[in-house]
Amino acid sequence: EIVLTQSPDTLSLSPGETATLSCRASQSVGSIYFAWYQQKPGQTPRLLIYGVSIRATGIPDRFSGSGSGTDFTLTINRLEPEDFAVYYCQQYNFLPLTFGGGTKVEI
Amino acid sequence: QVQLEESGPGLVKPSETLSLTCTVSGGPITTYKWSWIRQPPGKGLEYIGYIDYSGYTDYNPSLRSRLIISMDTSKNQFSLKLSSVTAADTAVYYCARYWSALDFWGRGTTVAVSS
Repeated sequence: EIVLTQSPDTLSLSPGETATLSCRASQSVGSIYFAWYQQKPGQTPRLLIYGVSIRATGIPDRFSGSGSGTDFTLTINRLEPEDFAVYYCQQYNFLPLTFGGGTKVEI
Repeated sequence: QVQLEESGPGLVKPSETLSLTCTVSGGPITTYKWSWIRQPPGKGLEYIGYIDYSGYTDYNPSLRSRLIISMDTSKNQFSLKLSSVTAADTAVYYCARYWSALDFWGRGTTVAVSS
């Protein structure tokens, strides 16, 4: 099973700043089947990014994904108040699908 | 627009079987893959397994011995059965479509395991 380790656990930022979230895989997951999700308290996770860097429908362009192999990054430019949430990375190249432990972006 | 909705008991006794159903609307279930994910209270997301349009299933190895995922195409539903549950199985259970990653999710249903 591929283990995904997210860092940092918590990111404390202000609106307007840039958030950089990292996810490291225990072995290469390639350069295609990688995703990021956003989850707000009491809500369902929402797909933000799939295919490493493709924004899901309706996701603003301040969200961007990059990476390959074992290191992946989610960047959120110009943080908006609604962006403060927990973010999970996920690989779907190998079974079982696995998620990272999450990074909380807080004010 | 695809919509998913989980249903099932909110409380299950230890050692019994947890049974949940996901009803899909807005498109046929005979396309794509359909997945279950859970989230224990205050914790992260855990992949449970998926079933595809051919009936092929994949299960999380940690749950495989207790898990069955099945599909009823006539009702556009897929289901989860997890046997011999313990308190560690208490979680919010989500169903989701697995295509471009997990792109559509249900709202989730809370299942508590308690006597």
